[in-house]
Amino acid sequence: GENVEQHPSTLSVQEGDSAVIKCTYSDSASNYFPWYKQELGKGPQLIIDIRSNVGEKKDQRIAVTLNKTAKHFSLHITETQPEDSAVYFCAATFGLGTSYDKVIFGPGTSLSVIP
Amino acid sequence: DAMVIQNPRYQVTQFGKPVTLSCSQTLNHNVMYWYQQKSSQAPKLLFHYYDKDFNNEADTPDNFQSRRPNTSFCFLDIRSPGLGDAAMYLCATSRARDILLSNEQFFGPGTRLTVL
Repeated sequence: GENVEQHPSTLSVQEGDSAVIKCTYSDSASNYFPWYKQELGKGPQLIIDIRSNVGEKKDQRIAVTLNKTAKHFSLHITETQPEDSAVYFCAATFGLGTSYDKVIFGPGTSLSVIP
Repeated sequence: DAMVIQNPRYQVTQFGKPVTLSCSQTLNHNVMYWYQQKSSQAPKLLFHYYDKDFNNEADTPDNFQSRRPNTSFCFLDIRSPGLGDAAMYLCATSRARDILLSNEQFFGPGTRLTVL
């Protein structure tokens, strides 16, 4: 069935260090992999996404890699700052008919950046 | 700015008393979704609309209903809230897929529902 796994569930890093969150997905037909950051009391906000025709994408301190063969994708945050502390969700889309998709979220990673 | 708006941000209701949460969007997106998110968990899809077509998730309780009177607005009705329905309710929108390419979902800030 449709499933996204995410590890670790909690991650604590020193300010300035890197953080890596890893996800796997079950449906080989998934073609879009967004990452969301959710701060306390707020809705998830898209921080970066990657499509299945790309292996890596970078946006300033954030990068995402995708291994379609292994059905793995990862989020890398470099030079972490206290404001990066939040819950991060990976997700994968599963097609619903021909025109739109269902997003399946991973269980989330609570990232704490220690000043 | 174009956005997804949810009202109210906080809602308190009594056990068994019907409650309606609202979502509006200025993005003119075809698809609108309602998610339930409990503490320390991922958002769980309840149902979605593609234009006027309603699609219920198999495990969404009958207690939850939805209405979409027009493109911009979508409502979540909880007919008889129980203590277990206390959660954050998130509305999201997306454009229909571009050929085979999926599009991102835009989330509202959520409505936190408390059931007394």
